Amino acid sequence: EPEVTQTPSHQVTQMGQEVILRCVPISNHLYFYWYRQILGQKVEFLVSFYNNEISEKSEIFDDQFSVERPDGSNFTLKIRSTKLEDSAMYFCASSVYREVKEKLFFGSGTQLSVL
Amino acid sequence: GNSVTQMEGPVTLSEEAFLTINCTYTATGYPSLFWYVQYPGEGLQLLLKATKADDKGSNKGFEATYRKETTSFHLEKGSVQVSDSAVYFCALSGPYNTDKLIFGTGTRLQVFP
Repeated sequence: EPEVTQTPSHQVTQMGQEVILRCVPISNHLYFYWYRQILGQKVEFLVSFYNNEISEKSEIFDDQFSVERPDGSNFTLKIRSTKLEDSAMYFCASSVYREVKEKLFFGSGTQLSVL
Repeated sequence: GNSVTQMEGPVTLSEEAFLTINCTYTATGYPSLFWYVQYPGEGLQLLLKATKADDKGSNKGFEATYRKETTSFHLEKGSVQVSDSAVYFCALSGPYNTDKLIFGTGTRLQVFP
């Protein structure tokens, strides 16, 4: 089965630094998402992206966050100036349809540690 | 707002034991309900879903029934295998016309031979 690929699997950064988390969604999918899970907490929706623009974002997704699909295959999440509380597992997902009842395909995640 | 509560883990079972992982939800409207599973080193995968009250989702021997009266969607399997060891996430669709899924914290299942 095709899969969503995320790189790197682990990222360690210093507070205040910029990080870019990368994802390659499944090739015929049109909708892209980022979720995150802080250790011991719930998996939280960050943002959805369709047709080269943000479709929906949560209140977590403030001005420090941005997403981009720079080349038609990659989908990136940038955090401009990381904070300690940004430490989490970040999951990328993609789907063929927007309907949330339909299947999302998730990557295996990037563990971000902010020191 | 909509939310999901699932039992804390880890749940530790012997092979062939009966599994229940509890999930309850709070929601307005008529959400769809899901169980996703994450095997070690892999991404979350849709295990099963139910889109309306009294629907039963099933896959790979797992079942869950959408119970509106108790706002629950408990995951069950009659006889677990070592290969079922994973983290299980209950989720529901957000409010109408939203892109997001609302997840619980996940429950780790460990099955020993």
